[in-house]
Order: sequence, then C-alpha cells, then structure tokens
Amino acid sequence: GQSLEQPSEVTAVEGAIVQINCTYQTSGFYGLSWYQQHDGGAPTFLSYNALDGLEETGRFSSFLSRSDSYGYLLLQELQMKDSASYFCAVGNSWGKLQFGAGTQVVVTP
Amino acid sequence: KAGVTQTPRYLIKTRGQQVTLSCSPISGHRSVSWYQQTPGQGLQFLFEYFSETQRNKGNFPGRFSGRQFSNSRSEMNVSTLELGDSALYLCASSPRGKDTEAFFGQGTRLTVV
Repeated sequence: GQSLEQPSEVTAVEGAIVQINCTYQTSGFYGLSWYQQHDGGAPTFLSYNALDGLEETGRFSSFLSRSDSYGYLLLQELQMKDSASYFCAVGNSWGKLQFGAGTQVVVTP
Repeated sequence: KAGVTQTPRYLIKTRGQQVTLSCSPISGHRSVSWYQQTPGQGLQFLFEYFSETQRNKGNFPGRFSGRQFSNSRSEMNVSTLELGDSALYLCASSPRGKDTEAFFGQGTRLTVV
C-alpha cells in the first residue's frame, strides 16, 4: 500500500527557515508534490519533484531522494501569510495522488 | 479559464439519508479525484475517474460511490449516512491524472446530524 509520514506541526518566527520532511512508501512512484492549504481554503499546488534533486520556486524549495523515499519542503524568509497546512503527496503511474496528514506551520511575529 | 466547481458548498443531512455531491472540472481535464478531509486526517483518497472509468479506489466502504460523465463532470454519492461521514469533500482535476499539478475545488462541507 501507500503511506506518507510528515510532522504534524512546526512553529517558527517571521524571517526564519522551516524544513518539512516527508517519507513515503508507494508502488509505481511517479512524483512527489507539495500543496498548501489555508484554513477554509482549497489546497493549492506549490511544487513537484519527479527526479532527485532540488527544485526552487521563489522562497520555497523542494527536494527529493528517490533512493531514500524521502523529500522535504523548505520555506525561507517566513512570512505571516505562510501560516497554513502543508501536504506532501505521492503520485503513482496509475493516476492516484495520495496525501500525507499535513504539517501545520505556525509563524509567530 | 474557470476553476474546479463543486456544488453545493454546504450540506446538512440526517443519519441514514443519502447525498450526492457534484464536481465540474476545469475544461479539458479528464481526470477527477475525490478526497475526504477531516481534522487531523489530512486528505483521504476516495477514488479517481478518467474518461468515465474508475481507475483508482481508496479504502472506503461501498457506501461511497462515484461516477463520471462524458463531459468529465463527476458526482459522488454517499448512502446510509453516518455521523462519521461529516467532513469536507474535495475534488481535484488534472488533464491526465498523472500530471504535475492537480487543481482543487473549494469543497463541499457535509454535516451529518
């Protein structure tokens, strides 16, 4: 089956850097995605890794190691608006996208 | 272009009733997935449809079912509602289902009393 593990909560101050780790178990791995969800809102796409390495998109970066079944999302220069839930998701070759339980990021002044 | 539209946004039902939720994907997207979201549980995968065929199914009881129409619109049905079915139901669409990005609707908040 598929499973994903990520921390439940992370707290950091404005301007800091936060790393959210995600380990996964799946068959037919296709890629690792990250989504952001604010309270009351819909999940929105942040980044995607299909190959090993780092992908950078502005203040957010995502990393994947396929051999370790591990990835992380790096949030830099934290802002108050970054307070949200962050989900890693694993896609497989058959079109199934499975999500982790989510990490609540709390940014304090 | 228009995003993913889910209707209704809010719904209150009584135990034992059934409910049908609707999802209109982004134009041109043929894959529609459904998720159940409850506090602390993340997004639990229900099923995925592509070109009117269910390709993937999550670990939910048979009371949860769905279908997809030829215009890619999808519906999910929950029969014999239980209190534990209270949740936010989200649908997501993508062009092929194994794409880089899935686009989510705002969800239907179902409350079972």
